[in-house]
Amino acid sequence: DTGVSQDPRHKITKRGQNVTFRCDPISEHNRLYWYRQTLGQGPEFLTYFQNEAQLEKSRLLSDRFSAERPKGSFSTLEIQRTEQGDSAMYLCASSLGTGTSGYLAKNIQYFGAGTRLSVL
Amino acid sequence: AQSVTQPDIHITVSEGASLELRCNYSYGATPYLFWYVQSPGQGLQLLLKYFSGDTLVQGIKGFEAEFKRSQSSFNLRKPSVHWSDAAEYFCATKANAGGTSYGKLTFGQGTILTVHP
Repeated sequence: DTGVSQDPRHKITKRGQNVTFRCDPISEHNRLYWYRQTLGQGPEFLTYFQNEAQLEKSRLLSDRFSAERPKGSFSTLEIQRTEQGDSAMYLCASSLGTGTSGYLAKNIQYFGAGTRLSVL
Repeated sequence: AQSVTQPDIHITVSEGASLELRCNYSYGATPYLFWYVQSPGQGLQLLLKYFSGDTLVQGIKGFEAEFKRSQSSFNLRKPSVHWSDAAEYFCATKANAGGTSYGKLTFGQGTILTVHP
């Protein structure tokens, strides 16, 4: 079990450029989450997937953001036309979702080390 | 909507001293509650969780937390802090029923712990 892996660890880009981050979840985990963490704040939920289906998106996820999870394995988060306000740590987490809906909420999320984005 | 408040942005303690980090939540029912720790350059690591039952929960690294419904609190404690405990600590909550938001965690703003030798 190698844990949740995120790539790249750091990304520096110029305003207006597009960036893409990758997350590889723990291999048997069917749920995958993206969070954003700005300096001095706790992580904020962006979106999550169960298998390949995107089940929920936060209002923080503007039209410039898109996330995919093809084949229910790894996921990508793309930001188009980056802005300085997009500078943050982007965290990915995964969990194993089984059982009834109430039980699902108990599933523990395991986090990757994150991708730190700096938009100049 | 759920919310989590960590009133202390930064706490400094001496090595060997006891520690208590405060966490207050806002939720209509009993939520699921978590404490995570984040060291520089590392992801979030789960310290402990509360779902139901015994209100005093034990976690890893010698940490414990107590759920107090009357105070809407879930404070994290450790009897004797080690220098390696210096990190940022996040309290988080998750809805335990209803809607489609079972997945997301709602985090507090974090408490940075500094440990003096």
